[in-house]
This record gives sequence, C-alpha cells and structure tokens, in this order.
Amino acid sequence: SQQGEEDPQALSIQEGENATMNCSYKTSINNLQWYRQNSGRGLVHLILIRSNEREKHSGRLRVTLDTSKKSSSLLITASRAADTASYFCATDKAAGNKLTFGGGTRVLVKP
Amino acid sequence: NAGVTQTPKFQVLKTGQSMTLQCAQDMNHNSMYWYRQDPGMGLRLIYYSASEGTTDKGEVPNGYNVSRLNKREFSLRLESAAPSQTSVYFCASRAKTSGRFYNEQFFGPGTRLTVL
Repeated sequence: SQQGEEDPQALSIQEGENATMNCSYKTSINNLQWYRQNSGRGLVHLILIRSNEREKHSGRLRVTLDTSKKSSSLLITASRAADTASYFCATDKAAGNKLTFGGGTRVLVKP
Repeated sequence: NAGVTQTPKFQVLKTGQSMTLQCAQDMNHNSMYWYRQDPGMGLRLIYYSASEGTTDKGEVPNGYNVSRLNKREFSLRLESAAPSQTSVYFCASRAKTSGRFYNEQFFGPGTRLTVL
C-alpha cells in the first residue's frame, strides 16, 4: 500500500502558470519529501519538509505541510516547459529508515 | 563524484532465468535501497539496507534477494525471473543523520528489465 496519495494524477498547464499538487498520507511522519522524475530517468530530490515545519521555499517551489490534516502541497510558480515531469511525494515515517512513495502527479507544461 | 550507478541499464530475460542487478554509490552513505516502478505508478520498496551488514524486507520482497557487499555496493538478485517482475528498478542511497532525522535519497538512473 502507498502511504502518500497525490492529487491530481495529471495536470496540464500553460507556461507561466502556477502548478499545484497535493499529497495525503496516513501515519505520523518525521518528514515529507518531494521528488521529480523526468521521463525515463531516475528521481531527483526537490525539497524536504520536517514534521515541525509548516512551509518551505526553494526557488520557484513552495511546499506546505499540515500534520493535523496529514497533507502537503507543492506549488511550482511561473512554470516552464522544462518543469514537465512526474512529481512524487514520499513520507519518512516516525519509526524506521525508509520512504514510502505516492503514485505521482504527471505535469505537462505547454509552451 | 558519480553518485549512484546501476548496471546494466537494460536487460531482457526469459522466464526462469536469473540475474543480478548491481548498484554502487560513492557518497559514503550508510543506507541503500532497491525499488521497482511499474508503468504509471510510484516506487515500491523491495529491500533496503540501513547500514553495512544489515538488510530488511520492504513492501514487495517476494522473488528477490539482496546482498550488501560492502558500504558502497548493494546488489539485487532475481533467482527465477517471472513476467510479473518486468519493471524499472531503481537503487537509492542516503546519509544517516543524528537523532530521528534523515536526509533525502539519491537515485540511480534505473535498470529496465523485461521478462518474457
């Protein structure tokens, strides 16, 4: 079973628009991470937010975490064609040394 | 720094054949992981090794074995391949931090395996 579930499963936007995707999870976590995967490639880490943090920024990325609702969101501002990829959330549970990945959101940014 | 490397990049097997997927990292990370990714899905953990000398089952370990050869290398073996094991396999590693906090994982480029 997957701890994180992303919503929506797919997203199509125009270049310059913002893209928002959400992740919900079920159990207590130490941190939540977002990764990007370009077609046919491995995953690349984007941002990590710890359970005691509510918001984090990295360049054009903004991540929020609401532990009371067990949910997180990833916002990509001013999207570019190069942002076309699948985005995955992954949770680090309170106990253990392993990540659990969601099913991903496929983002298409049209030029 | 090569990061996480995987060999081979592609492999085609017949049902019942065996093979070993190799993974190595040069970042001196303690923990290493093997995942599989089926089309349109997220990653599922097969096995992981929290530190040299230890291995643990993940979500989908059946049909696989692993060996943590040393701190750098973590191999995944399919003893008798089945069509259901057709997938893309990713290896990852990460550093250990103090206390209850962990860092991000670094991923290899993947091995695309087809079992006929």
